Amino acid sequence: NAGVTQTPKFQVLKTGQSMTLQCAQDMNHNSMYWYRQDPGMGLRLIYYSASEGTTDKGEVPNGYNVSRLNKREFSLRLESAAPSQTSVYFCASRRAVAYNSPLHFGNGTRLTVT
Amino acid sequence: GENVEQHPSTLSVQEGDSAVIKCTYSDSASNYFPWYKQELGKRPQLIIDIRSNVGEKKDQRIAVTLNKTAKHFSLHITETQPEDSAVYFCAAVSGGGADGLTFGKGTHLIIQP
Repeated sequence: NAGVTQTPKFQVLKTGQSMTLQCAQDMNHNSMYWYRQDPGMGLRLIYYSASEGTTDKGEVPNGYNVSRLNKREFSLRLESAAPSQTSVYFCASRRAVAYNSPLHFGNGTRLTVT
Repeated sequence: GENVEQHPSTLSVQEGDSAVIKCTYSDSASNYFPWYKQELGKRPQLIIDIRSNVGEKKDQRIAVTLNKTAKHFSLHITETQPEDSAVYFCAAVSGGGADGLTFGKGTHLIIQP
């Protein structure tokens, strides 16, 4: 099992460009999440999908959109990148919204917006 | 929503000594408290977790304690080793937990040789 796979690993964008971060999990998990990690800020939730067919905003959703393509895949799109979106992005999944279900993280995407 | 505070932001200890990281949470309905370790350039990985019906849990050199009345929980690492150097995050799940975990801002643990 690969677990949670994210692509790409690194990306540099110019301000105003768009891109999609891809995430796939092979653990048959129901819930998927996108977090961003900035120095001193911890991990902040951008969007999540509690189950296939649903998506909801997290703490910092502005400037992002998501698509839960199927049970395995959950993508994050930046329509018009801004320097403030320079960050490390982590996709995560867990079996269900049951409270004792831990998160499994992908290896992250390091995004720089110039 | 839930708010998790974590202290200290940086902790330096001598190899072999113990390290303690503390977290507080705001939502009394929170009932699951995991701890993640993140090595430089890598993903966060779960190292231990505790549920609200348990006061303490141990796994070899690491332990977590929970005080629901005071709404705080702590990570204890004994006999620290160089490979313990990393950033540690506490987290809490509140309510139904659909929106994942709320994380503390992390503690950079440095093990001095």
